[in-house]
Amino acid sequence: EAQVTQNPRYLITVTGKKLTVTCSQNMNHEYMSWYRQDPGLGLRQIYYSMNVEVTDKGDVPEGYKVSRKEKRNFPLILESPSPNQTSLYFCASSPSGSNTGELFFGEGSRLTVL
Amino acid sequence: GNSVTQMEGPVTLSEEAFLTINCTYTATGYPSLFWYVQYPGEGLQLLLKATKADDKGSNKGFEATYRKETTSFHLEKGSVQVSDSAVYFCALSPFYNQGGKLIFGQGTELSVKP
Repeated sequence: EAQVTQNPRYLITVTGKKLTVTCSQNMNHEYMSWYRQDPGLGLRQIYYSMNVEVTDKGDVPEGYKVSRKEKRNFPLILESPSPNQTSLYFCASSPSGSNTGELFFGEGSRLTVL
Repeated sequence: GNSVTQMEGPVTLSEEAFLTINCTYTATGYPSLFWYVQYPGEGLQLLLKATKADDKGSNKGFEATYRKETTSFHLEKGSVQVSDSAVYFCALSPFYNQGGKLIFGQGTELSVKP
């Protein structure tokens, strides 16, 4: 089954404790991206990757890092989480970063930073 | 800049009622337009899309027409079901899309009562 898999789905952590949210897709997609979803704001792009070893900032990259060492994986790293990073995070992929393409989303990772 | 504005929710309807969720956009050039749906506890999934003016996207009884003259992409369904209860997001992809980004509206929650 074609899917985007995120882990963990739920996480409660404390300020400053480094964490990684993993994302893996089995569709051989070149393009992957991370979004955060906050009430009243919709989804906002954090980082994206057009291909292996090619990553770039989205609209809200502060406090996050990413890497793309393999085509299928695109982890999101919070080096020193803060309460304002409490949010629902979605990983997404598509065959390319074209403007007419569909994004395939994971089920989301709900993060709470105390 | 590019932006999407949706009608505020929540929207509560009785089963078999007619649904309209308004969406207007601001963009330069010719964006592609999308409606995504998020069922409880799940990621977003593409509902329908339109890539040029006057195109009509349709799926699962939902329709939306790309109206360039009014910069709108309103979602409609003639007879909603309880299973349509979800959050609906209007989104655009800019014509010159750096980063494969989708720009989302804030989402409209729909609740359909039996």
